[in-house]
Amino acid sequence: QTVVTQEPSFSVSPGGTVTLTCGLSSGSVSTSDYPSWYQQTPGQAPRTLIYNTNTRSSGVPDRFSGSILGNKAALTITGAQADDESDYYCVFYMGGGMVFGGGTKLTVL
Amino acid sequence: EVQLVESGGGLVQPGGSLRLSCVVSGFTFSTYWMHWVRQAPGKGLVWVSRINNDGSGTSYADSVKGRFTISRDNAKNTLYLQMNSLRAEDTAVYYCARIGLWGQGTLVTVSS
Repeated sequence: QTVVTQEPSFSVSPGGTVTLTCGLSSGSVSTSDYPSWYQQTPGQAPRTLIYNTNTRSSGVPDRFSGSILGNKAALTITGAQADDESDYYCVFYMGGGMVFGGGTKLTVL
Repeated sequence: EVQLVESGGGLVQPGGSLRLSCVVSGFTFSTYWMHWVRQAPGKGLVWVSRINNDGSGTSYADSVKGRFTISRDNAKNTLYLQMNSLRAEDTAVYYCARIGLWGQGTLVTVSS
């Protein structure tokens, strides 16, 4: 069973840049794992930010970007804003299904 | 508008059945693999099932295998999840999803 690891929490100053990462217990992340990132606030449905490694979903500000850094998927927020404070999750489409990370709680202060 | 709209959730007794539907619009449904994902109260997202674009291949999480059946009708732009022998631990919000897009979810509560 593949385990997905994310930083449990992260903090960034308003206007700052932060990179969240997502790793796989099975080895290096590749584009064929179709890494995606979504944001979810309690009681709300997930909102896709990035899919297929680096494609921004419609309506997502360009301060959000996705990439592969080293052997992990990465979500970078450039110029963080107060309303970016949220939980961020990664997901991989692999093995015919989806494998989710446990999420990173991002604080903007 | 590109969207996924789930329906069919509700309260059901243990051992009962429900059929969830997900109507899609704004994209070519027949070209996408589709998934069902669930989220129990206060918990994380868990993948439930997947169907390939023409319905010829399916996959299930071990926790629902033999009880749930995923299907699709490409002519109606609709994804389904037939849930039988429901248990309390199946209580969750159920989302349909494809790469890059999620529905708003439908709540399934299994309780006597």
